[in-house]
Amino acid sequence: GESVGLHLPTLSVQEGDNSIINCAYSNSASDYFIWYKQESGKGPQFIIDIRSNMDKRQGQRVTVLLNKTVKHLSLQIAATQPGDSAVYFCADVNSTGTASKLTFGTGTRLQVTL
Amino acid sequence: SAVISQKPSRDICQRGTSLTIQCQVDSQVTMMFWYRQQPGQSLTLIATANQGSEATYESGFVIDKFPISRPNLTFSTLTVSNMSPEDSSIYLCSVEDLYRGVYEQYFGPGTRLTVT
Repeated sequence: GESVGLHLPTLSVQEGDNSIINCAYSNSASDYFIWYKQESGKGPQFIIDIRSNMDKRQGQRVTVLLNKTVKHLSLQIAATQPGDSAVYFCADVNSTGTASKLTFGTGTRLQVTL
Repeated sequence: SAVISQKPSRDICQRGTSLTIQCQVDSQVTMMFWYRQQPGQSLTLIATANQGSEATYESGFVIDKFPISRPNLTFSTLTVSNMSPEDSSIYLCSVEDLYRGVYEQYFGPGTRLTVT
C-alpha cells in the first residue's frame, strides 16, 4: 500500500522497549485530546483519549500524559511490538454546540526494529 | 464503534475531471466529516456534513470545489471538482459517535486520489 508520513519525524525503537511520542497543541480551550494510529494504506484508528481535566490516563499498554501548563501531550507505549509501527497523530477536540472539531498535529512515524 | 466504508478505495484521474467519493456508515450518525491528507502530511478538515442542512466548510475550502451531499443518516458523498495535480491526496470520511458519554470520531479507510 501507499506510505503515509514519508516526511514526518521518525522515532526508531527496538522491539520490547518503551516508546514515547510527543505532541504540542495550541488551543487551550480544547475539551479533550485523542491519539490516533495510522497504518500504511488505512485510515486513522482511535487509540486513547484524555479529558482536559485529567493529567494521565492508562489503557492497554498505552499511557497518555497531559501537561496543560506547557500544552504538551505524550503517548507512551510499553513493550513496543512490530505491530505498533505506524504514524501516530494527536488531535485536540473542541466541542461546539453541534459538533466536535478535531485539529490534528503533524504526526510521528514510529519504526520498531527487531 | 461505527464501521465506515468508502468507495472508491483509490483512483487515478485526469486533470479537469471530477470524482465523487462515497462514504457509508453501518449505523445512523448525526455528524459526518470529510478530511484531506496530502502526501506526508497530517489531516485537514474540509467540511462538516449534517443531515438535512448545508455542509459547513473550513477556511480554504469552498462548495464549488468540494460539493458535499448528505441525503440520510448513513451516507455522504464528497466530489472533488475540476481536479488538478494539487488535489492528489487521501480523502477520509469520519463520523462522530457517542461512546461512554463522549462523542468520538472514527475514520473510514480513505480514498487515495492521484491526479495526472
